[in-house]
This record gives sequence, structure tokens and C-alpha cells, in this order.
Amino acid sequence: SAVISQKPSRDICQRGTSLTIQCQVDSQVTMMFWYRQQPGQSLTLIATANQGSEATYESGFVIDKFPISRPNLTFSTLTVSNMSPEDSSIYLCSVERTSGTSTDTQYFGPGTRLTVL
Amino acid sequence: AQTVTQSQPEMSVQEAETVTLSCTYDTSESDYYLFWYKQPPSRQMILVIRQEAYKQQNATENRFSVNFQKAAKSFSLKISDSQLGDAAMYFCAYRSDDYTGANSKLTFGKGITLSVRP
Repeated sequence: SAVISQKPSRDICQRGTSLTIQCQVDSQVTMMFWYRQQPGQSLTLIATANQGSEATYESGFVIDKFPISRPNLTFSTLTVSNMSPEDSSIYLCSVERTSGTSTDTQYFGPGTRLTVL
Repeated sequence: AQTVTQSQPEMSVQEAETVTLSCTYDTSESDYYLFWYKQPPSRQMILVIRQEAYKQQNATENRFSVNFQKAAKSFSLKISDSQLGDAAMYFCAYRSDDYTGANSKLTFGKGITLSVRP
């Protein structure tokens, strides 16, 4: 598996502001993903973040709202821009290796609980 | 597109008993992976078990085992000797077997809340 940390673990924000969430992995990984989990719901993929290329966004998610950076193989950020109460969710990053053991399996960070007032 | 269905929103089991959580999926692919993840109130998503579709043998991990029926597109999770710490939300998930990485995303079911009675 991998040790994954996220910062912040939770935050309360005012509408119209932006929040950047950080995801740090203890080893190099090829694939990093960002998911949203709305209250009482399942996980929905926002985008796939690959190092050295633009993030790939899923239908319904756009770069202007959720810009993503992936500067190296152990770190990524997700920004939630111009927030509204509907953005209140848990945001989770996950990683997947493509070599070595446990490939093709995603491991998740602890999540960031965001509340927008 | 693939879909994952967990039709039972909640289940309850007596401590030390066995419980089975159901999951069905729909796909036109022949090679793929299936997973069960556990999410306790701490919200950390924890991998419980993984199954490769090309393997006929059902995966097991200690008290956790699956009943994988490829033709029926069914993937149930059996928890034996249930413990209080097993109380959590359980998600079934599907992943294509695509080595290019283009289809690495997980498709999740809606989840099932498992409670364990002492």
C-alpha cells in the first residue's frame, strides 16, 4: 500500500472563496485521482492527475472550478474555486501504482471535509 | 459505461455472526477488477479485498471473502465472525483492466451501511 496524507483534514469556508487541498504520498506513484463524496453519497471521480500533463476531468467537472496541479510523482493539489454551499463534501485523493506490487489498486488518503457557509 | 449496484442500503449483524453484502455490476468487458472498500466514521477509505476477473478462485483476506460469479456479474462480500470494528459503510467498486491507465478510474456503488450488534 502507500501512506497518503491530506491537508487540511477539514475546513469551514465562506462562499465565494477558494480552498486548495494538498495530497502527499510517501513514494512515487504514476496515477493520482481526486474524488468528491457528497453527504451520505458514494464517491464520484473529479479528475485524474498525471505528472507532466494536464489533468483529465470527468463529465460535469471543469478545470476552472477544480484546478489541479501535479508538480511531481508524490504530490498533487486540488483547488475548489468560488465555493458555494453545494461544494460541501469530503474530498479524497487516491493513488495507484503501475509497477511493483499491488498495481491496479487504488489507495486513499484520509479525506478533507469541506463545509461552505 | 460500467455500473455498480448495491441494492441494500443498510444491514445489521450480531457480533460473531456472518453477514453477506451484495453487489452486482454491468459491463461488456471481459477483463476487469472488483474491490470492496470499507469507510468507517473516520471517513478513511480502506481496501478490504480485491478480485481479478480472470481468476476463478474467490479472493479471501482473513475473515473476509468474496463470492465472485462472473457470468451473473455478482460480487458479494462475506464477513465471518463479525466484530464491532467491522461497523462501517462498505463500497463495491469496479475498475477496467487497462494498462494504458486511461480507464483506471473506479466506479463505485452507492454503498451499504453495516451495523454490528454487541
